[in-house]
Amino acid sequence: GAVVSQHPSRVICKSGTSVKIECRSLDFQATTMFWYRQFPKQSLMLMATSNEGSKATYEQGVEKDKFLINHASLTLSTLTVTSAHPEDSSFYICSARTGGMDYGYTFGSGTRLTVV
Amino acid sequence: AQKITQTQPGMFVQEKEAVTLDCTYDTSDPSYGLFWYKQPSSGEMIFLIYQGSYDQQNATEGRYSLNFQKARKSANLVISASQLGDSAMYFCAMRGYSSASKIIFGSGTRLSIRP
Repeated sequence: GAVVSQHPSRVICKSGTSVKIECRSLDFQATTMFWYRQFPKQSLMLMATSNEGSKATYEQGVEKDKFLINHASLTLSTLTVTSAHPEDSSFYICSARTGGMDYGYTFGSGTRLTVV
Repeated sequence: AQKITQTQPGMFVQEKEAVTLDCTYDTSDPSYGLFWYKQPSSGEMIFLIYQGSYDQQNATEGRYSLNFQKARKSANLVISASQLGDSAMYFCAMRGYSSASKIIFGSGTRLSIRP
């Protein structure tokens, strides 16, 4: 089946630095990628939708300058958390549309970001 | 706007019993889809079942069935013969067809199966 590879699975970074998270579709072309954020014991909150070759569409309240999304190819989308702060510590997970079925969504395995 | 509501933050069920996880939704889209996902402690999202708003029959996938009541805007998940491995977070989710295919999630229900 369709696989989305997400890296890194865990990352610890210092406050003020930037962190890049990659989501790569391994055996299909992901024209649309969704990025979610999940705080402990909470739901997945959609941050943005990225389409290959165009600017991402951010959900209301998400700082686009802080969470940079690049979807430069049909198999790779990246999320860069810039100037990270402890409050950015969270679980980040991507999801891609797969195939033509209405229920065709594949999730990455997630990235646990800790900012110290 | 779309909204998913899960009113059960946590549930405990005896092994081998059936369990129903509640989900209600709200949307102005005439066509939409409803999902249930399982998230174990590892964090991965496991797709369980899908129901299209125009599907005539309730969806079933093995031990999972979706009790879809369109007039009540509810899409409850029924797990039959629960197993210890069913202990996890369960999320109800929805996609509309006028919202760039994005999925929004409910707040989740933590299901714990007792041996």
